[in-house]
Amino acid sequence: AQSVTQPDIHITVSEGASLELRCNYSYGATPYLFWYVQSPGQGLQLLLKYFSGDTLVQGIKGFEAEFKRSQSSFNLRKPSVHWSDAAEYFCAVGVYNAGNMLTFGGGTRLMVKP
Amino acid sequence: KAGVTQTPRYLIKTRGQQVTLSCSPISGHRSVSWYQQTPGQGLQFLFEYFSETQRNKGNFPGRFSGRQFSNSRSEMNVSTLELGDSALYLCASSLIAGHTDTQYFGPGTRLTVL
Repeated sequence: AQSVTQPDIHITVSEGASLELRCNYSYGATPYLFWYVQSPGQGLQLLLKYFSGDTLVQGIKGFEAEFKRSQSSFNLRKPSVHWSDAAEYFCAVGVYNAGNMLTFGGGTRLMVKP
Repeated sequence: KAGVTQTPRYLIKTRGQQVTLSCSPISGHRSVSWYQQTPGQGLQFLFEYFSETQRNKGNFPGRFSGRQFSNSRSEMNVSTLELGDSALYLCASSLIAGHTDTQYFGPGTRLTVL
């Protein structure tokens, strides 16, 4: 069965600093990969996704992620964090022939210092 | 296009009762999935419906059930509520089923069981 690990439960960065959130997955074939963001009391908003093709994926709000098959990783990056980016971020994996069932990581809570 | 809507947004029930939550997908989307989010277990897949048929089911007891109507709207039901059922229940819709598609999440229903 597939699994997703987000090693960092909490991350604090200063506004304007760069950000990298880690995501590692376990799955035997090429997965479908997603990053979602959740603000307090809200649902999940899709930031970006990787299905195939170019391993560097651009998303909304200035986020990007890179799929590295050799490292089983799909890390999320942003060059300059804004205070409004404070939220919880979830990495998720879907697999072929499993319909729309997603397996989520435990999430990383991002705090932004002024 | 309107997003995924979920009703009600908040519910308080007591142990032993049952509850029904409703989800209206994005117009044209035919697949609806349900997830449970708790602080302890994180985000867990409950089930997916497409064309009024359950396509996938997560590892939850039979007290959790769902259905989908011909207009793609979906309901989930939890019978004999337990304290541990307190959670945010998220609904997600996507255009197709069969293999992983992009899912768009609603704001969730916050269920509190007393």
